[in-house]
Amino acid sequence: DQQVKQNSPSLSVQEGRISILNCDYTNSMFDYFLWYKKYPAEGPTFLISISSIKDKNEDGRFTVFLNKSAKHLSLHIVPSQPGDSAVYFCAASGSNDYKLSFGAGTTVTVRA
Amino acid sequence: EAGVAQSPRYKIIEKRQSVAFWCNPISGHATLYWYQQILGQGPKLLIQFQNNGVVDDSQLPKDRFSAERLKGVDSTLKIQPAKLEDSAVYLCASSQGLAGGPTRRADTQYFGPGTRLTVL
Repeated sequence: DQQVKQNSPSLSVQEGRISILNCDYTNSMFDYFLWYKKYPAEGPTFLISISSIKDKNEDGRFTVFLNKSAKHLSLHIVPSQPGDSAVYFCAASGSNDYKLSFGAGTTVTVRA
Repeated sequence: EAGVAQSPRYKIIEKRQSVAFWCNPISGHATLYWYQQILGQGPKLLIQFQNNGVVDDSQLPKDRFSAERLKGVDSTLKIQPAKLEDSAVYLCASSQGLAGGPTRRADTQYFGPGTRLTVL
């Protein structure tokens, strides 16, 4: 049962433009959301998170937006850089629950 | 600060054989996780340890998978006997956790590079 869905398996964007990655979830108990970035042959690394009490969190070039009513979150990367080429995983957890549920990932390719 | 270490990085075995993976978490991290990531899917939690106790192993196929974390530091994950569908990357992660019990919220998890297992 896939509780976190990333419906776009891949995204190609030109360097300097904005990358928008989308994530949908079905479990209404989820209240904490994270994005992880993964390079080939490496483990995922934490990128940014957001709590359900917020609708936006920004860290440098990365911004995550949360729409609780739509059960949807997105990650914006602006401007996109070649080093951003990686797989991005959306993950979620619920109150009093340490367990992370991951989406299947979106592969981002930044073209020079 | 050293990251999460895992070995081996790659392993190829035949079905019905046994295999073991090793993980050394970040120093001081109380919580350790093992994930299975099948190609094209996100990581799926197999087991979580808090110090040397099991917090959650609900998704661990206990008929063939086992894991231990002796002395609350290093951990090993074993598969015996392996099946074709066990081909995946096995990721170990650690987090600081909260003193006195399981984390009430998923705190930041730091992942190792993973072990890619191929079962023929």
